[in-house]
Amino acid sequence: DAGVTQSPTHLIKTRGQQVTLRCSPKSGHDTVSWYQQALGQGPQFIFQYYEEEERQRGNFPDRFSGHQFPNYSSELNVNALLLGDSALYLCASSLVGTEDEKLFFGSGTQLSVL
Amino acid sequence: DAKTTQPTSMDCAEGRAANLPCNHSTISGNEYVYWYRQIHSQGPQYIIHGLKNNETNEMASLIITEDRKSSTLILPHATLRDTAVYYCIVRVAHTGANNLFFGTGTRLTVIP
Repeated sequence: DAGVTQSPTHLIKTRGQQVTLRCSPKSGHDTVSWYQQALGQGPQFIFQYYEEEERQRGNFPDRFSGHQFPNYSSELNVNALLLGDSALYLCASSLVGTEDEKLFFGSGTQLSVL
Repeated sequence: DAKTTQPTSMDCAEGRAANLPCNHSTISGNEYVYWYRQIHSQGPQYIIHGLKNNETNEMASLIITEDRKSSTLILPHATLRDTAVYYCIVRVAHTGANNLFFGTGTRLTVIP
């Protein structure tokens, strides 16, 4: 049973560029959430997708956008990259309606903006 | 969701119990306490959660005070593989919302 998979594992971009990160949820899960983790900090919630729609959003600018596909996989897009966008981007999946509502996280994509 | 307060770091000898405290004095009646941990270079991993009763699973035990304003995560026999950052999170459950507030957590170092 594959867990949450993210690609790529590492990425280097320059300021002003655009980036797309990808996530495949754990088998059977229908909800994907994205988090940003700066060095030395805890993960910060970006947004959550369920039924191909954005359901919740954290305090992130519109440069951060996402998409969920019919197979429940998801993409995170960041436009006009800033140096401060350098971070580990984590994807988490879950299944709506489960009693414990626990999230399963991938190992993340390390994004470096130069 | 309510915020939590945790010590920045703790050490524990291998084989001994690790007791990680968490204060959540503003917790609401419908908020659960969740614990996750993050081992270096990995995503966070769910450990345990509870509402008001003490809970135990194969990984850990969770002790919640009667007033629910604080809790303790107990790893009964810490191993070197338990070295990680531990996050205490409170959240309203059964809403489908996954906007967890992680904070900075407690960095637990298990010493040989």
